Amino acid sequence: QVQLVQSGTEVKKPGASVKVSCKASEYTFTDYYIHWVRQAPGQGLEWMGWINPKSGGTKYAQKFQDWVTMTRDTSISTAYMALSRLRSDDTAVYYCARDPGGSSPGMDVWGPGTTVTVSS
Amino acid sequence: QSALTQPASVSGSPGQSITISCTGTSSDVGGYNYVSWYQQHPGKAPKLMIYNVSNRPSGVSNRFSGSKSGNTASLTISGLQAEDEADYYCDSYTSSGAYVFGTGTKVTVL
Repeated sequence: QVQLVQSGTEVKKPGASVKVSCKASEYTFTDYYIHWVRQAPGQGLEWMGWINPKSGGTKYAQKFQDWVTMTRDTSISTAYMALSRLRSDDTAVYYCARDPGGSSPGMDVWGPGTTVTVSS
Repeated sequence: QSALTQPASVSGSPGQSITISCTGTSSDVGGYNYVSWYQQHPGKAPKLMIYNVSNRPSGVSNRFSGSKSGNTASLTISGLQAEDEADYYCDSYTSSGAYVFGTGTKVTVL
Protein backbone atom coordinates (compact mmCIF):
# COMPACT_ATOMS: atom_id res chain seq x y z
CA GLN A 1 0.00 0.00 0.00
CA VAL A 2 1.00 3.66 -0.25
CA GLN A 3 3.49 4.44 2.46
CA LEU A 4 6.38 6.60 3.56
CA VAL A 5 9.20 4.84 5.36
CA GLN A 6 11.54 6.97 7.44
CA SER A 7 15.06 6.38 8.69
CA GLY A 8 15.75 5.31 12.25
CA THR A 9 16.29 7.04 15.56
CA GLU A 10 19.18 9.49 15.80
CA VAL A 11 21.12 10.72 18.82
CA LYS A 12 23.29 13.76 18.20
CA LYS A 13 25.43 16.15 20.18
CA PRO A 14 24.73 19.91 20.19
CA GLY A 15 26.24 21.60 17.16
CA ALA A 16 26.08 18.47 15.02
CA SER A 17 23.93 17.90 11.93
CA VAL A 18 21.32 15.26 11.16
CA LYS A 19 19.83 13.98 7.90
CA VAL A 20 16.52 12.13 7.94
CA SER A 21 15.26 10.17 4.95
CA CYS A 22 11.73 9.45 3.78
CA LYS A 23 11.25 6.72 1.14
CA ALA A 24 8.01 6.63 -0.82
CA SER A 25 6.45 3.45 -2.12
CA GLU A 26 3.42 2.40 -4.16
CA TYR A 27 2.78 5.79 -5.75
CA THR A 28 4.48 8.11 -8.23
CA PHE A 29 6.97 10.01 -6.08
CA THR A 30 7.04 13.10 -8.31
CA ASP A 31 3.26 13.59 -8.24
CA TYR A 32 3.14 14.71 -4.59
CA TYR A 33 4.88 17.36 -2.51
CA ILE A 34 6.68 16.19 0.63
CA HIS A 35 6.25 18.21 3.81
CA TRP A 36 8.42 17.95 6.89
CA VAL A 37 6.76 18.49 10.27
CA ARG A 38 8.25 18.17 13.72
CA GLN A 39 6.80 17.61 17.18
CA ALA A 40 8.80 18.25 20.34
CA PRO A 41 7.96 16.10 23.37
CA GLY A 42 4.53 17.01 24.70
CA GLN A 43 4.17 19.82 22.15
CA GLY A 44 2.17 20.51 19.02
CA LEU A 45 2.94 20.08 15.35
CA GLU A 46 5.36 22.52 13.71
CA TRP A 47 5.58 22.88 9.93
CA MET A 48 9.18 23.06 8.68
CA GLY A 49 8.84 23.20 4.91
CA TRP A 50 8.10 21.30 1.73
CA ILE A 51 9.89 20.06 -1.34
CA ASN A 52 8.46 19.50 -4.78
CA PRO A 53 10.06 16.20 -5.83
CA LYS A 54 9.45 16.90 -9.51
CA SER A 55 11.36 20.19 -9.67
CA GLY A 56 13.39 20.08 -6.46
CA GLY A 57 11.89 23.43 -5.50
CA THR A 58 11.53 24.10 -1.79
CA LYS A 59 9.72 26.39 0.62
CA TYR A 60 10.94 26.63 4.20
CA ALA A 61 9.27 28.12 7.25
CA GLN A 62 10.97 31.39 8.06
CA LYS A 63 12.20 30.00 11.37
CA PHE A 64 14.19 27.26 9.63
CA GLN A 65 15.45 29.23 6.60
CA ASP A 66 19.11 29.27 7.56
CA TRP A 67 19.58 25.80 8.94
CA VAL A 68 17.34 23.30 7.16
CA THR A 69 17.92 21.78 3.73
CA MET A 70 15.39 19.60 1.93
CA THR A 71 16.48 17.50 -1.03
CA ARG A 72 15.32 14.48 -2.97
CA ASP A 73 16.62 11.63 -5.08
CA THR A 74 13.97 10.70 -7.63
CA SER A 75 15.88 7.57 -8.70
CA ILE A 76 15.09 5.97 -5.35
CA SER A 77 11.89 7.89 -4.52
CA THR A 78 13.41 9.36 -1.39
CA ALA A 79 13.23 12.78 0.22
CA TYR A 80 15.71 14.08 2.77
CA MET A 81 15.63 16.70 5.50
CA ALA A 82 18.92 17.93 6.92
CA LEU A 83 19.14 20.11 10.00
CA SER A 84 22.43 21.72 11.02
CA ARG A 85 23.79 23.30 14.21
CA LEU A 86 21.53 21.19 16.37
CA ARG A 87 20.46 22.42 19.80
CA SER A 88 18.75 20.60 22.64
CA ASP A 89 15.41 22.14 21.70
CA ASP A 90 15.61 20.39 18.31
CA THR A 91 14.86 17.17 20.15
CA ALA A 92 11.64 16.03 18.51
CA VAL A 93 9.90 13.50 16.31
CA TYR A 94 10.33 14.48 12.68
CA TYR A 95 7.60 13.43 10.24
CA CYS A 96 7.43 13.50 6.48
CA ALA A 97 4.02 13.65 4.80
CA ARG A 98 2.90 13.71 1.17
CA ASP A 99 0.54 16.29 -0.29
CA PRO A 100 -1.07 16.33 -3.74
CA GLY A 101 -0.92 20.13 -3.76
CA GLY A 102 -2.77 21.98 -6.47
CA SER A 103 -6.38 22.74 -5.65
CA SER A 104 -6.76 19.99 -3.05
CA PRO A 105 -3.83 20.26 -0.65
CA GLY A 106 -3.69 18.15 2.47
CA MET A 107 -1.11 15.87 4.05
CA ASP A 108 -2.85 12.58 3.29
CA VAL A 109 -0.11 10.04 4.03
CA TRP A 110 2.39 10.38 6.85
CA GLY A 111 5.56 8.55 7.71
CA PRO A 112 5.86 6.95 11.17
CA GLY A 113 8.25 9.64 12.38
CA THR A 114 11.96 9.71 13.20
CA THR A 115 13.02 10.52 16.74
CA VAL A 116 15.98 12.87 16.94
CA THR A 117 17.50 13.43 20.36
CA VAL A 118 20.07 16.17 20.87
CA SER A 119 22.04 15.76 24.06
CA SER A 120 25.58 16.25 25.26
CA GLN B 1 4.22 33.13 11.13
CA SER B 2 2.28 32.62 14.36
CA ALA B 3 0.45 29.39 15.07
CA LEU B 4 -3.28 29.37 14.49
CA THR B 5 -5.28 29.58 17.72
CA GLN B 6 -7.23 26.56 18.95
CA PRO B 7 -8.80 25.87 22.36
CA ALA B 8 -6.51 23.75 24.50
CA SER B 9 -9.23 21.25 25.31
CA VAL B 10 -12.79 20.32 24.44
CA SER B 11 -14.85 17.56 26.02
CA GLY B 12 -18.18 15.89 25.47
CA SER B 13 -20.19 12.81 26.37
CA PRO B 14 -20.67 9.89 23.99
CA GLY B 15 -23.25 10.72 21.35
CA GLN B 16 -22.91 14.47 21.75
CA SER B 17 -21.49 16.91 19.20
CA ILE B 18 -18.47 19.09 19.79
CA THR B 19 -16.88 21.87 17.76
CA ILE B 20 -13.22 22.89 17.67
CA SER B 21 -12.32 26.35 16.41
CA CYS B 22 -9.19 27.41 14.56
CA THR B 23 -8.60 31.16 14.35
CA GLY B 24 -6.09 32.80 12.07
CA THR B 25 -5.90 35.94 9.97
CA SER B 26 -6.81 37.14 6.51
CA SER B 27 -3.33 36.04 5.41
CA ASP B 28 -4.03 32.40 6.13
CA VAL B 29 -7.39 30.92 7.20
CA GLY B 30 -9.43 33.87 5.97
CA GLY B 31 -7.62 34.21 2.67
CA TYR B 32 -7.74 30.68 1.31
CA ASN B 33 -9.96 27.60 1.35
CA TYR B 34 -6.92 25.49 2.13
CA VAL B 35 -7.63 24.52 5.73
CA SER B 36 -7.06 20.93 6.81
CA TRP B 37 -7.72 19.07 10.06
CA TYR B 38 -5.66 16.24 11.53
CA GLN B 39 -6.34 13.71 14.28
CA GLN B 40 -3.43 12.40 16.33
CA HIS B 41 -3.62 9.59 18.86
CA PRO B 42 -0.80 9.32 21.44
CA GLY B 43 2.41 8.00 19.95
CA LYS B 44 0.98 7.92 16.43
CA ALA B 45 1.43 9.97 13.29
CA PRO B 46 -1.33 12.48 12.47
CA LYS B 47 -4.20 11.44 10.20
CA LEU B 48 -5.89 13.73 7.68
CA MET B 49 -9.59 14.16 8.55
CA ILE B 50 -10.65 17.20 6.51
CA TYR B 51 -9.09 19.10 3.60
CA ASN B 52 -10.14 22.21 1.67
CA VAL B 53 -12.15 23.38 4.70
CA SER B 54 -14.93 20.82 4.42
CA ASN B 55 -13.90 17.81 2.31
CA ARG B 56 -13.46 14.37 3.83
CA PRO B 57 -10.87 11.96 2.46
CA SER B 58 -12.10 8.52 1.55
CA GLY B 59 -12.51 6.37 4.65
CA VAL B 60 -13.09 9.19 7.13
CA SER B 61 -16.37 8.96 9.00
CA ASN B 62 -19.11 11.41 8.00
CA ARG B 63 -19.39 12.26 11.71
CA PHE B 64 -16.52 14.67 11.00
CA SER B 65 -17.35 17.90 9.21
CA GLY B 66 -15.60 21.21 8.60
CA SER B 67 -16.61 24.77 7.90
CA LYS B 68 -15.20 28.29 7.81
CA SER B 69 -16.43 31.79 8.53
CA GLY B 70 -14.09 34.71 8.04
CA ASN B 71 -10.77 34.02 9.75
CA THR B 72 -12.07 31.07 11.79
CA ALA B 73 -12.38 27.48 10.66
CA SER B 74 -14.23 24.84 12.66
CA LEU B 75 -14.25 21.06 12.98
CA THR B 76 -17.42 19.42 14.27
CA ILE B 77 -17.52 15.87 15.54
CA SER B 78 -21.05 14.48 15.73
CA GLY B 79 -22.11 11.40 17.67
CA LEU B 80 -18.94 11.51 19.75
CA GLN B 81 -17.35 8.10 20.31
CA ALA B 82 -14.62 6.89 22.64
CA GLU B 83 -12.27 6.39 19.68
CA ASP B 84 -12.51 10.12 18.89
CA GLU B 85 -10.50 10.94 21.99
CA ALA B 86 -7.27 12.37 20.54
CA ASP B 87 -5.46 15.61 19.74
CA TYR B 88 -6.72 17.61 16.77
CA TYR B 89 -4.77 20.13 14.73
CA CYS B 90 -5.81 22.50 11.98
CA ASP B 91 -3.45 23.84 9.36
CA SER B 92 -3.69 26.47 6.66
CA TYR B 93 -1.86 27.64 3.59
CA THR B 94 -0.56 31.20 3.99
CA SER B 95 0.04 34.20 1.75
CA SER B 96 3.81 33.61 1.91
CA GLY B 97 3.43 30.14 0.41
CA ALA B 98 4.15 28.49 3.75
CA TYR B 99 1.85 26.46 5.96
CA VAL B 100 1.03 26.94 9.60
CA PHE B 101 -0.48 24.56 12.15
CA GLY B 102 -2.86 25.35 14.94
CA THR B 103 -1.88 25.08 18.60
CA GLY B 104 -3.78 21.81 18.96
CA THR B 105 -6.89 20.73 20.89
CA LYS B 106 -7.19 17.74 23.19
CA VAL B 107 -10.60 16.12 22.85
CA THR B 108 -11.80 14.15 25.86
CA VAL B 109 -14.79 11.82 25.75
CA LEU B 110 -16.37 11.87 29.20
